[in-house]
Amino acid sequence: QVQLLESGPGLVKPSGTLSLTCTVSGTSISSSNWWSWVRQPPGKGLEWIGEIFHSGRANYNPSLESRVTFSLDKPKNQFSLRLTSVTAADTAVYYCARDPGRSSGFDWGQGTLVTVSS
Amino acid sequence: EIVLTQSPATLSLSPGERATLSCRASQSVGSYLVWYQQKPGQAPRLLIYDASNRATGIPASFSGSGSGTDFTLTISSLEPEDFAVYYCQQRSNWPYTFGQGTKLEIK
Repeated sequence: QVQLLESGPGLVKPSGTLSLTCTVSGTSISSSNWWSWVRQPPGKGLEWIGEIFHSGRANYNPSLESRVTFSLDKPKNQFSLRLTSVTAADTAVYYCARDPGRSSGFDWGQGTLVTVSS
Repeated sequence: EIVLTQSPATLSLSPGERATLSCRASQSVGSYLVWYQQKPGQAPRLLIYDASNRATGIPASFSGSGSGTDFTLTISSLEPEDFAVYYCQQRSNWPYTFGQGTKLEIK
């Protein structure tokens, strides 16, 4: 059974960089899955940030594409999110997820709250 | 970007009643439509994929239907633990998008 666990700072200063890591267990990130990030502002709905394949190919939400980068750490079985120039609007619970493909749904991590505040 | 519109925003029903939730897409997504359930403080939970296939461990009381632009999630007889927020997600085109959610509350 796949498990995903997000980690990273819970507080980031405005104009700073938000960095999160997702540690995967139960399967290899080199398997044929996409690895996704989704966020949810407090009390609001879900927003897909993007996803990365084991080859390193990534798809980003155009609304965030200029500020976001994904990366893989295969030896550690982790993938990461980096979001630059953050503002209060980036305050959200950030989820990582496994995406087995279009004819399926996501397997989710538990989520981690990141607050952007000085 | 494909916009998903869920209705109603809030649905107030009693345990034992039947719930019908709608998700409409701004353009065809074929059958690439997923439903999730989310309870407070929890991650979303996969219910239905490919519009009508129940995920592992999901009770038969949950069913999905539809194709193209109009989709429905039906809960045949509500249990107390079914009261939550439900989201649809399209997997047809990038960026993958979610509906704004339907809150199913106890009447």
